[in-house]
Amino acid sequence: GAGVSQSPSNKVTEKGKDVELRCDPISGHTALYWYRQSLGQGLEFLIYFQGNSAPDKSGLPSDRFSAERTGGSVSTLTIQRTQQEDSAVYLCASTTGTHQPQHFGDGTRLSIL
Amino acid sequence: SQQGEEDPQALSIQEGENATMNCSYKTSINNLQWYRQNSGRGLVHLILIRSNEREKHSGRLRVTLDTSKKSSSLLITASRAADTASYFCATGLSSNTGKLIFGQGTTLQVKP
Repeated sequence: GAGVSQSPSNKVTEKGKDVELRCDPISGHTALYWYRQSLGQGLEFLIYFQGNSAPDKSGLPSDRFSAERTGGSVSTLTIQRTQQEDSAVYLCASTTGTHQPQHFGDGTRLSIL
Repeated sequence: SQQGEEDPQALSIQEGENATMNCSYKTSINNLQWYRQNSGRGLVHLILIRSNEREKHSGRLRVTLDTSKKSSSLLITASRAADTASYFCATGLSSNTGKLIFGQGTTLQVKP
């Protein structure tokens, strides 16, 4: 079956613009995670969704970042008023439950000019 | 903040040799996982070892876990050029979310 799909694969935008990144998890996976990978910070957890439970937003770096997961499937990560330090690869992962192997998409490479 | 520290940061070996990567962490864990990442791609899960396990094998991969020392190692035997990639350890904490805390990774180059 299909793996985790992320779009767009690359996004270049000007500082101050808003961006939306999409993640389509593996069908049937109840848990979904967003991570950010950057040269300076490595791989960082951003946010976690599990079924209908309240998301764990503890990794979001500022209130410019938000995410939602509609219908327990597709998730969108939104960054408002982008800054240059937001440049990174944003990775999405899904899994069948907590403490299970995570399946990653190929990420969205975000570049802020 | 990073939980895992990996060493070496970079490793270069000849095809056929074994590669060993080490990972240390700071807090109690539910499990420890190893992932591989090829350039420009997402992470691929290799192996998961739970806190009550000491060793696990998968093909040419062998992972050990020492919870008393808060450390793990990944051994790749009989390496191939296709094993060239970055390898990350990630700890799954005992909290409910299962979020992973990643180390900085080891870049492995296998020369043909």
